[in-house]
Amino acid sequence: GENVEQHPSTLSVQEGDSAVIKCTYSDSASNYFPWYKQELGKRPQLIIDIRSNVGEKKDQRIAVTLNKTAKHFSLHITETQPEDSAVYFCAASGGQAGTALIFGKGTTLSVSS
Amino acid sequence: GAGVSQSPSNKVTEKGKDVELRCDPISGHTALYWYRQRLGQGLEFLIYFQGNSAPDKSGLPSDRFSAERTGESVSTLTIQRTQQEDSAVYLCASSRLAGGPVGELFFGEGSRLTVL
Repeated sequence: GENVEQHPSTLSVQEGDSAVIKCTYSDSASNYFPWYKQELGKRPQLIIDIRSNVGEKKDQRIAVTLNKTAKHFSLHITETQPEDSAVYFCAASGGQAGTALIFGKGTTLSVSS
Repeated sequence: GAGVSQSPSNKVTEKGKDVELRCDPISGHTALYWYRQRLGQGLEFLIYFQGNSAPDKSGLPSDRFSAERTGESVSTLTIQRTQQEDSAVYLCASSRLAGGPVGELFFGEGSRLTVL
């Protein structure tokens, strides 16, 4: 089955800096790669996703890049703000219908002002 | 309903007892997922339903864990003979899409299980 590795496990940045979180996946047939944000004590929520027919997607201060050949994808947050502090999870879905969404172990991002 | 509803929100039980956790997905969502999140840890996949069938139950950690779903509605996760390592938040999520590319998952608030 699918296996997703995520790095780093913790990341501390100063407000205004950029943050990058990287993930690798094992199933070359995977075709859907979302990112979820989980604030302390709250449920995970989707912030951005990318499908395998595109290499990059951007939404305001966040962007995701996908390299299918290398089987890795990354989340980029620019101009970080204290409210970006949370746990971020990457995930991948196996390419076949009926396969589940598998998450990485998460990255705790701390943005200090 | 307006969102994914899970019950109970908190459950404290004694080691060896059975527990049932319930998930009521968003109306019309065909896909339903169960994940386990230990304190400070990631989202561990348990089982996935499309309708009332479970194409992927590979994440269930042992035969003490089972789940079922009635139609495209409520799902119940049952843990028999609970152990202390079962203590975690059990998150349910539902998605509108099924049988093809996965869509956005909407998570419930979770059921926090504590096994003494």
